[in-house]
Amino acid sequence: QKEVEQDPGPLSVPEGAIVSLNCTYSNSAFQYFMWYRQYSRKGPELLMYTYSSGNKEDGRFTAQVDKSSKYISLFIRDSQPSDSATYLCAMSGGGGYNKLIFGAGTRLAVHP
Amino acid sequence: DTAVSQTPKYLVTQMGNDKSIKCEQNLGHDTMYWYKQDSKKFLKIMFSYNNKELIINETVPNRFSPKSPDKAHLNLHINSLELGDSAVYFCASSGGVYTEAFFGQGTRLTVV
Repeated sequence: QKEVEQDPGPLSVPEGAIVSLNCTYSNSAFQYFMWYRQYSRKGPELLMYTYSSGNKEDGRFTAQVDKSSKYISLFIRDSQPSDSATYLCAMSGGGGYNKLIFGAGTRLAVHP
Repeated sequence: DTAVSQTPKYLVTQMGNDKSIKCEQNLGHDTMYWYKQDSKKFLKIMFSYNNKELIINETVPNRFSPKSPDKAHLNLHINSLELGDSAVYFCASSGGVYTEAFFGQGTRLTVV
């Protein structure tokens, strides 16, 4: 079993939809949770960074962490075609150094 | 002004050759990383340096040797390239332990 599980999709939604992306993990020591967006042939771009459980909002994006369930989510409101990309969850913590463990990434397509 | 930059962006080479990838960051970060992204888009850490000291060394073949001449630079040298080394290699940096990582644009390595 992988440490971080993420449905690779693809996920196809119409413009304006609310998108929900999720990851589950097995290592209860993880404390730091990130969401990255990766466009085709580009590097991962940091979207959200949260520590421990709770919610964080930034514009159209909301990140949620539920440590008791080992489950994290990213919500995208009013999705746009420009949101079409692969979304990667990543997490770290519990060890001596910052080793990010990534999910497989979910490919999102937003149609006009 | 690019925060994390890698060169070259594309690298096509024959099996058995030796090649290097260079990375530089201008964020003033102490920690730098090499990640490998395979054909299924899965990102996995290879190495991490903190203040020029190797702190993470995953199970990577000895043919891969990182070198950090200073805090702002981290290079990756690969000896005796094999077909299976074909992937996208990402350099990243972070400000410290358990902080978010910022990625370069990647080096797409193709071994023929």
